[in-house]
Amino acid sequence: NAGVTQTPKFRVLKTGQSMTLLCAQDMNHEYMYWYRQDPGMGLRLIHYSVGEGTTAKGEVPDGYNVSRLKKQNFLLGLESAAPSQTSVYFCASSTGTSNTEAFFGQGTRLTVV
Amino acid sequence: AQSVSQHNHHVILSEAASLELGCNYSYGGTVNLFWYVQYPGQHLQLLLKYFSGDPLVKGIKGFEAEFIKSKFSFNLRKPSVQWSDTAEYFCAVTVRRSNTGKLIFGQGTTLQVKP
Repeated sequence: NAGVTQTPKFRVLKTGQSMTLLCAQDMNHEYMYWYRQDPGMGLRLIHYSVGEGTTAKGEVPDGYNVSRLKKQNFLLGLESAAPSQTSVYFCASSTGTSNTEAFFGQGTRLTVV
Repeated sequence: AQSVSQHNHHVILSEAASLELGCNYSYGGTVNLFWYVQYPGQHLQLLLKYFSGDPLVKGIKGFEAEFIKSKFSFNLRKPSVQWSDTAEYFCAVTVRRSNTGKLIFGQGTTLQVKP
């Protein structure tokens, strides 16, 4: 049982390049989330999804897009990477019921030069 | 907007010392409360959680936390820390009525335990 798997684990991009981060969960969870972690700022929510085919903006959505075409996958896209998007990205999933916890992936360390 | 504040950004302790990390949140309604830990180079793992009932909750590895509703606080404690507790600790809340499960995180506290 892999839980939440993120691909890739590390990536270096040049400014202006695009990329997609993949998150896959095998727990049949309805809800999925993308966070970014920056020093001294904790984790901030970028986008989230409460079910297949649905997405919504979080706290810091600018410069990112997401898609949830399949229940088990949640993709985070950067169309034109900027140095300010250098961060560690975490995906998480949960059942979505009231009293539940989120499970996190291993993280993707992205550097934009 | 809801927010979570962790009072200590960097804590240095010797082994066997007692630990208390402060966490306060700003929201007047019902929340679920969490403490997550991130060991160096690893992902976030759940230490403990509070949904309802006994306000003193026990988690893994000897950690516990107390929910004090009147103070909007959920402080993390451990009577005797070990070198292996060196990590970053995050307090987080979800707002029950939002039905989205969105976690609102504090800034994090880096704990360094000296052997």
